[in-house]
Amino acid sequence: AQRVTQPEKLLSVFKGAPVELKCNYSYSGSPELFWYVQYSRQRLQLLLRHISRESIKGFTADLNKGETSFHLKKPFAQEEDSAMYYCALSGGGGSNYKLTFGKGTLLTVNP
Amino acid sequence: DTGVSQDPRHKITKRGQNVTFRCDPISEHNRLYWYRQTLGQGPEFLTYFQNEAQLEKSRLLSDRFSAERPKGSFSTLEIQRTEQGDSAMYLCASSRPNEKLFFGSGTQLSVL
Repeated sequence: AQRVTQPEKLLSVFKGAPVELKCNYSYSGSPELFWYVQYSRQRLQLLLRHISRESIKGFTADLNKGETSFHLKKPFAQEEDSAMYYCALSGGGGSNYKLTFGKGTLLTVNP
Repeated sequence: DTGVSQDPRHKITKRGQNVTFRCDPISEHNRLYWYRQTLGQGPEFLTYFQNEAQLEKSRLLSDRFSAERPKGSFSTLEIQRTEQGDSAMYLCASSRPNEKLFFGSGTQLSVL
């Protein structure tokens, strides 16, 4: 069975501080990992996917297969980063429709 | 707005009634997905269409749930004999094959 765990429901940091949102997963094969974000009153949208290995809005995430983790990091948080963040997993190989989501972490960046 | 459109935005119904939701995907997307999200949880996969073919259904989709995508364009999700446990946000998404999913704003269902 595939499972995604986001241990923090809430995370609060000050503007300019580093932020790390944790994500651990359980999957027997080679998964694809994603971070989705939902800003206030907006739709759920893809932030980044591990196979792209890109930085979006200053966020990066590295897949650590040994620790089965895909933590999201940003060195200097901005107030506009305040949102709900979901880590998600799919079986890969074109099956990225069937995402398994974590419960989400609500990030608040204080001025 | 040319994104994924869902209708209605909110639906309040009494237990035992039938409800139907509609999703209009982005026009060039041949894949369409339904997810359900309850309070404090992430979205959960319900079902998936490629064009008009429903290729996979989750065990979460009981016999009371049915989804269609006639002609491979818009999709409907019907829930028969609603129960209070069906109260949730129902999300639709669409994509091109193996590309990122675009989500709609969702339909919030409340069963009284």
